[in-house]
Amino acid sequence: NAGVMQNPRHLVRRRGQEARLRCSPMKGHSHVYWYRQLPEEGLKFMVYLQKENIIDESGMPKERFSAEFPKEGPSILRIQQVVRGDSAAYFCASSLTAQNTEAFFGQGTRLTVV
Amino acid sequence: AQTVTQSQPEMSVQEAETVTLSCTYDTSESDYYLFWYKQPPSRQMILVIRQEAYKQQNATENRFSVNFQKAAKSFSLKISDSQLGDAAMYFCAYCRDMEYGNKLVFGAGTILRVKS
Repeated sequence: NAGVMQNPRHLVRRRGQEARLRCSPMKGHSHVYWYRQLPEEGLKFMVYLQKENIIDESGMPKERFSAEFPKEGPSILRIQQVVRGDSAAYFCASSLTAQNTEAFFGQGTRLTVV
Repeated sequence: AQTVTQSQPEMSVQEAETVTLSCTYDTSESDYYLFWYKQPPSRQMILVIRQEAYKQQNATENRFSVNFQKAAKSFSLKISDSQLGDAAMYFCAYCRDMEYGNKLVFGAGTILRVKS
């Protein structure tokens, strides 16, 4: 039973390029959460999605960032025109339902903007 | 907005001894959940222990236990018989009533070093 899979593990982008981070939740999980961890800091919530719906995007920067969780395939976090301040580890978590269940985390994608 | 504070950036413990990591939080909610996560160098976030606010009894998982003081909004983690494999970053996290989903608010973390 595979856990939450994130890829790539490491991603290097030049300033101005686009970054696409993928997250495949655990089998049967339809709730996905994205978090960002800046160096020396805790994880900060970005967005909560269910299949084909964004439930809560209160932590997403207003510009350049978007997320989706299509009916088929992984959840995608997309960062357009990356800047050095986007360098961070991005984590995805999934849960079976919204209520009273543990969220399982992936190993994260470390994005470096050069 | 809910906040979680971990006032100890770094802690050290001798192997086989006991260490306590501190966490305080701020919320106006009466129902919520509290967690401790471990993040080793591999970056994988591992759930250590969880506490439901409506439960008065402190949660325990093998060598890990919590001291949950709801009135004081305090949630400390005690690790007994510390092992080298316990060395990691530890994060305290809060989740509002999960009717709103599993959205976690994390503290800044405490690095735990275990000396042999």
